[in-house]
Amino acid sequence: EAGVTQFPSHSVIEKGQTVTLRCDPISGHDNLYWYRRVMGKEIKFLLHFVKESKQDESGMPNNRFLAERTGGTYSTLKVQPAELEDSGVYFCASSQDRWRGEEQFFGPGTRLTVL
Amino acid sequence: GESVGLHLPTLSVQEGDNSIINCAYSNSASDYFIWYKQESGKGPQFIIDIRSNMDKRQGQRVTVLLNKTVKHLSLQIAATQPGDSAVYFCAENLYNQGGKLIFGQGTELSVKP
Repeated sequence: EAGVTQFPSHSVIEKGQTVTLRCDPISGHDNLYWYRRVMGKEIKFLLHFVKESKQDESGMPNNRFLAERTGGTYSTLKVQPAELEDSGVYFCASSQDRWRGEEQFFGPGTRLTVL
Repeated sequence: GESVGLHLPTLSVQEGDNSIINCAYSNSASDYFIWYKQESGKGPQFIIDIRSNMDKRQGQRVTVLLNKTVKHLSLQIAATQPGDSAVYFCAENLYNQGGKLIFGQGTELSVKP
């Protein structure tokens, strides 16, 4: 069974540019989460989809971040325009059962560097 | 708001020794915790979990202890191996808020051969 995949693995952009990150969850997983780890700090929750619906976007830092999950399959996270403080590692996770922690699987992350 | 944190950012142990990684939390209503291991270039990987109706849970070479009185949990790794070198995070699973995770800062474990 394929795990959660993320693309690209690395992205280096200049301040003011736009970047789109993609996450492909495990097939059949309705729950999809985005997290990020900035500058070696803790991993912070960004938002949660159930199928194509945003259930919780309380962790989105500001309106420069836009997440979508059209059709309830893969998700994209767009940062426009990117700022220096957006640098970090963005993780995606998916699960079928939100009640069981062992069922939430993480992707390898996308390392974003904003220069 | 919720807060889950770690006491030490780095831990260095000798191969074969036991490792103990600590974590404190602030919300007394928290009742479901998970430990994750993150290796370089990979996402967090589930190690073990514990719910508040338990004080201790054991896995393969790992034990998690939960002290609800002082809002503290720990991860013990027995006979630490070089492959255990990674960053370890404690997290609270807010299953009643969609299953999102609130992570602590992380402890980097380094195992010396």
